[in-house]
Amino acid sequence: AQKVTQAQTEISVVEKEDVTLDCVYETRDTTYYLFWYKQPPSGELVFLIRRNSFDEQNEISGRYSWNFQKSTSSFNFTITASQVVDSAVYFCALSGTYVSGATNKLIFGTGTLLAVQP
Amino acid sequence: GAVVSQHPSRVICKSGTSVKIECRSLDFQATTMFWYRQFPKQSLMLMATSNEGSKATYEQGVEKDKFLINHASLTLSTLTVTSAHPEDSSFYICSARDWPEGEQYFGPGTRLTVT
Repeated sequence: AQKVTQAQTEISVVEKEDVTLDCVYETRDTTYYLFWYKQPPSGELVFLIRRNSFDEQNEISGRYSWNFQKSTSSFNFTITASQVVDSAVYFCALSGTYVSGATNKLIFGTGTLLAVQP
Repeated sequence: GAVVSQHPSRVICKSGTSVKIECRSLDFQATTMFWYRQFPKQSLMLMATSNEGSKATYEQGVEKDKFLINHASLTLSTLTVTSAHPEDSSFYICSARDWPEGEQYFGPGTRLTVT
């Protein structure tokens, strides 16, 4: 069965601090995708990244970076120099791939509420 | 990027009435659309997957007679909550995908309140 665990329910940091959001996943699929989404108070999901299981390179996009460790089934997300606008709920998600024949429904973690204080 | 709209954004209805929520892909053809429900401070739970022109596939525990899904065209899917009750009050989010390996693009959500 597929499962995504975000152990951190809430995190509070002060502006300009770095913060890492943890994500651990379980899947029997040999190929899969991992995602991060941001959900601000407005409710609309904002796509941040999709990573194929074949690609274990870390990725950096501005103040955001992602660390994919297949050996530990983790896909952690780091925000550098956090800002108040980063305050939101962040979801990690997992899906299989169509090509592999696995289900490619998105399985979401429970989310981490990040509060960045000024 | 691709845009998905939902209408209405908020709806308040009385217990026992039915409510229809529309999900549209504005600039692409969506072969598959998904409907999620999110209760306050909880994660998104997939309710059903709909492919254009065929019956929706419901997740375990979701009442198909209560949550009617129609995906009649490649750009429109509707979710009808029939005989709504206060426990159906939730945030309903749709997403759409243009091909099997494609990205899921999410709509802005519909907040349903049943009084």
